[in-house]
Amino acid sequence: EAGVTQFPSHSVIEKGQTVTLRCDPISGHDNLYWYRRVMGKEIKFLLHFVKESKQDESGMPNNRFLAERTGGTYSTLKVQPAELEDSGVYFCASSKDFYEQYFGPGTRLTVT
Amino acid sequence: ELKVEQNPLFLSMQEEKNYTIYCNYSTTSDRLYWYRQDPGKSLESLFVLLSNGAVKQEGRLMASLDTKARLSTLHITAAVHDLSATYFCAVVGGTSYGKLTFGQGTILTVHP
Repeated sequence: EAGVTQFPSHSVIEKGQTVTLRCDPISGHDNLYWYRRVMGKEIKFLLHFVKESKQDESGMPNNRFLAERTGGTYSTLKVQPAELEDSGVYFCASSKDFYEQYFGPGTRLTVT
Repeated sequence: ELKVEQNPLFLSMQEEKNYTIYCNYSTTSDRLYWYRQDPGKSLESLFVLLSNGAVKQEGRLMASLDTKARLSTLHITAAVHDLSATYFCAVVGGTSYGKLTFGQGTILTVHP
């Protein structure tokens, strides 16, 4: 069974540009979570999808961040326009129920 | 707001020594997780602790949970170099549908 995959693994963009991160969950997992770790800080929750619906988006930092999960399969997280403080590692996780989350390898975003 | 604190944040150990990582959390929680992360890799689930007094062991690692003290420990016995990694504890709050609140992470380095 394939694990959670994320693309790209690393992205370097300039301040003001747009970046789209993608997460492919494990097949059959209705729950999809996005987390972020900014340098030196703890991993923080961004949002949670159940199928294509946003269950909880309380962790989204501001309206420059837009997450979608079309058809309840893969998800994208768009940052537009990117700011320096958006640099960090973005993790995606999926789960079949609320018990065990499986994490992807993360996307390292560097905004210069 | 649920807060999770780990200590120490950095741990340099010699092989064959024992040590403990502590994880405190601020409010009632349904369950507590311990994860391991190797550099550039995804978070790997080590333990899930569900109830007061729960103890789980896998190899040289043992985790325990005291819900009254809101404290979990990850004990390392006779450390070996392969255990070098970053260890995170994470807590799920009562009504958060699986949303994880993480500690800062403990960077463990085991020296010969």
